[in-house]
Amino acid sequence: EVQLVESGGVVVQPGGSLRLSCAASGFTFDDYTMHWVRQAPGKGLEWVSLISWDGGSTYYADSVKGRFTISRDNSKNSLYLQMNSLRTEDTALYYCAKDIRVYTVSNMDVWGKGTTVTVSS
Amino acid sequence: EIVLTQSPGTLSLSPGERATLSCRASQSVSSSYLAWYQQKPGQAPRLLIYGASSRATGIPDRFSGSGSGTDFTLTISRLEPEDFAVYYCQQYGSSPFITFGQGTRLEIK
Repeated sequence: EVQLVESGGVVVQPGGSLRLSCAASGFTFDDYTMHWVRQAPGKGLEWVSLISWDGGSTYYADSVKGRFTISRDNSKNSLYLQMNSLRTEDTALYYCAKDIRVYTVSNMDVWGKGTTVTVSS
Repeated sequence: EIVLTQSPGTLSLSPGERATLSCRASQSVSSSYLAWYQQKPGQAPRLLIYGASSRATGIPDRFSGSGSGTDFTLTISRLEPEDFAVYYCQQYGSSPFITFGQGTRLEIK
């Protein structure tokens, strides 16, 4: 069964840091681009970041550029999101998602259940 | 920046009726990279349609997608009770690479 399981979400103070993890199973992890997508409480979906299958290319939404860093460890079938200089507006449910096509970027066919990040003093 | 605008914001229909949801892009989008997702309360999004018109694995054939350029449509031919949810369109293209529409809420009339 193809599965993504996020972890690492906690309550953190503004200005703080956090690292999210996503454990993948059931597919050839290093063939696929991976994404982080977030959803603030009661709001829509916002794409955060993506990383290519080999980790060689990364892209970010303007709202997180310079503060968040996406990475992956293909030997561990794991995706990460290092979040620094957190702001209250980063409060959201963070989803890890797999791209549907190998070696490229398109749409997301598998999603985890998400991990909640709350930025509050 | 490509902005996706979905309409209507809320659609009220009855089971058995046909639903037509619209996604309009601020500039041309490659059909290869236009998708639709369904999200129910407390659940992760679920891919319904990718490449504008291809159904994802396990998606019933009452769901269909169409369109090109700047105008895309998700059609649900006969609504089932489990179809009432929020629907998002999404595109991949030039920076900021991936954007979602604001969503259409499909509610029971």
